[in-house]
Amino acid sequence: QKEVEQNSGPLSVPEGAIASLNCTYSDRGSQSFFWYRQYSGKSPELIMFIYSNGDKEDGRFTAQLNKASQYVSLLIRDSQPSDSATYLCAVKSQADRGSTLGRLYFGRGTQLTVWP
Amino acid sequence: KAGVTQTPRYLIKTRGQQVTLSCSPISGHRSVSWYQQTPGQGLQFLFEYFSETQRNKGNFPGRFSGRQFSNSRSEMNVSTLELGDSALYLCASSLLSGSSYNEQFFGPGTRLTVL
Repeated sequence: QKEVEQNSGPLSVPEGAIASLNCTYSDRGSQSFFWYRQYSGKSPELIMFIYSNGDKEDGRFTAQLNKASQYVSLLIRDSQPSDSATYLCAVKSQADRGSTLGRLYFGRGTQLTVWP
Repeated sequence: KAGVTQTPRYLIKTRGQQVTLSCSPISGHRSVSWYQQTPGQGLQFLFEYFSETQRNKGNFPGRFSGRQFSNSRSEMNVSTLELGDSALYLCASSLLSGSSYNEQFFGPGTRLTVL
């Protein structure tokens, strides 16, 4: 069973602060990692993906990956009220005898609230 | 480029009925995956289709089935609906199947309510 765990929320930060979202995964064979944002009543929206150890920056978002520690995080700088949403961590494992082709394993999500 | 489309957006059915949901992937994308999202279980993988073939299947009963057409559009069917099938059904589109370095993009979902 491939587990993806996210830090339990809800997480509440003031506008302009840095929001830090964390995720751990159990399968060492995991190859790629995704962060989705889901607003209430909407479908998940892909905001970041990372495949290699280290940091990847895209605007106010930075994804960090440490495969040795089986840990991936998402930092949101200069948080805005519009960032208030549930953030889902998703992991894709290396194909294992054809049984994991294309499948994403999702964490339960962390609800983020950014207050003005 | 148009995104993933799903129809219908909302459905209300009664127990014992069956339902068919449709998904059109992003133009040029050939892989379609289906997920079920509920408050209790989160997002769970149902199945993946590529080149009209089911490539992967999650841990759901046989009442859940799907197919993919030659134009990459996909349908999923749930027979003998149960109350617990009430959920948001999401379709995700990606360019390839099986590649780890391959993003999936979700459609707006179909909200199914079983009474």
